[in-house]
Amino acid sequence: SQELEQSPQSLIVQEGKNLTINCTSSKTLYGLYWYKQKYGEGLIFLMMLQKGGEEKSHEKITAKLDEKKQQSSLHITASQPSHAGIYLCGADKGSQGNLIFGKGTKLSVKP
Amino acid sequence: GAVVSQHPSWVICKSGTSVKIECRSLDFQATTMFWYRQFPKQSLMLMATSNEGSKATYEQGVEKDKFLINHASLTLSTLTVTSAHPEDSSFYICSARAGKQFFGPGTRLTVL
Repeated sequence: SQELEQSPQSLIVQEGKNLTINCTSSKTLYGLYWYKQKYGEGLIFLMMLQKGGEEKSHEKITAKLDEKKQQSSLHITASQPSHAGIYLCGADKGSQGNLIFGKGTKLSVKP
Repeated sequence: GAVVSQHPSWVICKSGTSVKIECRSLDFQATTMFWYRQFPKQSLMLMATSNEGSKATYEQGVEKDKFLINHASLTLSTLTVTSAHPEDSSFYICSARAGKQFFGPGTRLTVL
């Protein structure tokens, strides 16, 4: 079965610094999603990537899917305290549209 | 974007009682909704796929008689945790697909 591995598991950065979170799949990805979650709350959709080599940006967050479609990275530029939370990558599991998730990366941003 | 709501946002119940959680798609119709469970500091795990007008599809290891799912309309799916026990305490999140997959805000269940 497909598994998603995220790294690092947790990350503490100083405000203003850049950071990257990685998501690696054991199988080819046909739909890769990035979500942000604050503990005890729902998931906020960030970006969806489908094509090899695709890159999307929203404000200071950029997500890429590699050409082989087995690895994705999420890059935050000039981090702010509002970026703190848990970042989850998810992948299409089946034709019905359900997702499997990585274990998440907990990001803390120090003011 | 599409909005998915859940009710209640949190619930505390005694062991042995049943708890119903509602998931609604507010501005779109969803023939399929998904129920996930998240334990503290863990990722989301899919429990079951809820299909409007038919039986839910449960993931391996999820007891269908304990977690009853009813998808009565195109905008409402309910998850009933029957005879709840403390180990059922968790964060339950539903989602529905409208192009992208949108998640509800979650329901925190605490079983005493």
